[in-house]
Amino acid sequence: DQQVKQNSPSLSVQEGRISILNCDYTNSMFDYFLWYKKYPAEGPTFLISISSIKDKNEDGRFTVFLNKSAKHLSLHIVPSQPGDSAVYFCAASAGGKTSGSRLTFGEGTQLTVNP
Amino acid sequence: DARVTQTPRHKVTEMGQEVTMRCQPILGHNTVFWYRQTMMQGLELLAYFRNRAPLDDSGMPKDRFSAEMPDATLATLKIQPSEPRDSAVYFCASVPRGLKGAGVSNRSYEQFFGPGTRLTVL
Repeated sequence: DQQVKQNSPSLSVQEGRISILNCDYTNSMFDYFLWYKKYPAEGPTFLISISSIKDKNEDGRFTVFLNKSAKHLSLHIVPSQPGDSAVYFCAASAGGKTSGSRLTFGEGTQLTVNP
Repeated sequence: DARVTQTPRHKVTEMGQEVTMRCQPILGHNTVFWYRQTMMQGLELLAYFRNRAPLDDSGMPKDRFSAEMPDATLATLKIQPSEPRDSAVYFCASVPRGLKGAGVSNRSYEQFFGPGTRLTVL
């Protein structure tokens, strides 16, 4: 039972354009969502997160949007750069306010930004 | 800078052999997770520990996998006997000790990942 799903295995965009990565979840207990970025031969690294009490969080070129009613979140990268080419994982937690809670990850989306 | 380390980085072995993967969490981190990355499943949680005690190992095939944390600086994941379907990249991640309620900050859910062990079972 895949509680966090990233339906697009890959996405290709032109440098300078917007990249939109999507994620859907089924567990209504999830209250915190994160995006991780992974380069080849490296471990995933944290990118940006959002609490379920918000619908948008922005950090530089990266913005995460949360639609709780649709159980959907998306990551927008504007403008996209070749260095953004990586696998992006969506993750969710039902941990409430406790740190160190387990995360449930999606399958990942390979983003390729073409110069 | 502080990082999670994993050894070995690559392991090729034959079916039936024992495999041991090691993880050194960041000093002061008290929660350690083991994940497996496959093409079809993404990142699957295998097991995790807090203060060296196992909290959840329901993601592991119990008959062949075992995870331990003999001390605060070392976590191990063993497969015995290994099978070709175990071929994957295995990641360890750690989380700093936090206070209840610390979850309100942006970074308190962040897990710090090691570089992974790529396992190939022939």
